[in-house]
Amino acid sequence: AQKVTQAQTEISVVEKEDVTLDCVYETRDTTYYLFWYKQPPSGELVFLIRRNSFDEQNEISGRYSWNFQKSTSSFNFTITASQVVDSAVYFCARNTGGFKTIFGAGTRLFVKA
Amino acid sequence: SAVISQKPSRDICQRGTSLTIQCQVDSQVTMMFWYRQQPGQSLTLIATANQGSEATYESGFVIDKFPISRPNLTFSTLTVSNMSPEDSSIYLCSVVVTESSYEQYFGPGTRLTVT
Repeated sequence: AQKVTQAQTEISVVEKEDVTLDCVYETRDTTYYLFWYKQPPSGELVFLIRRNSFDEQNEISGRYSWNFQKSTSSFNFTITASQVVDSAVYFCARNTGGFKTIFGAGTRLFVKA
Repeated sequence: SAVISQKPSRDICQRGTSLTIQCQVDSQVTMMFWYRQQPGQSLTLIATANQGSEATYESGFVIDKFPISRPNLTFSTLTVSNMSPEDSSIYLCSVVVTESSYEQYFGPGTRLTVT
């Protein structure tokens, strides 16, 4: 099965700390997409990033950055100077055939004031 | 882009009854999907809603339990039939609007509690 693995079930940090959420994926495809979503306590899914497998450049968006390492099949997500509002469950995901999406188990991030 | 609305946003239902969830998209889309998120769990794909034909179900999901309609390119319904407490979940509608770049959107979800 082409899984997405988020080994960290829960992470707890103190505000202003940096935190990295790990994501490892399996694939037999040469072209694929990877995603990160945030799910705050309210329950809606907030889209954070979509990355095509051909684009291996790392990306930074404000306090968020993503490190895509095709050689290790990893797509890690770092939050710099974390804030209480970053507390949420974060899902890594990838596409499969037929435009379906497979999600990792999620990492619950607690940011304490 | 696409804006997705779902009705109802939440409901509490008795076991043995059925609930139909509606998904409305503000633009025509080819690819529409239904996902389930059980409490404390990740999202799992239930089925692909095909316009004008029967939905395509993933392993572990069957049409008798989760009948889906897709009468046009902007609307779909998911029915959760003969509900049990194990069906308590968030049900999310999703669309892919740009297949070449995999632009994907999720609805706000329907939070179902079965008592």
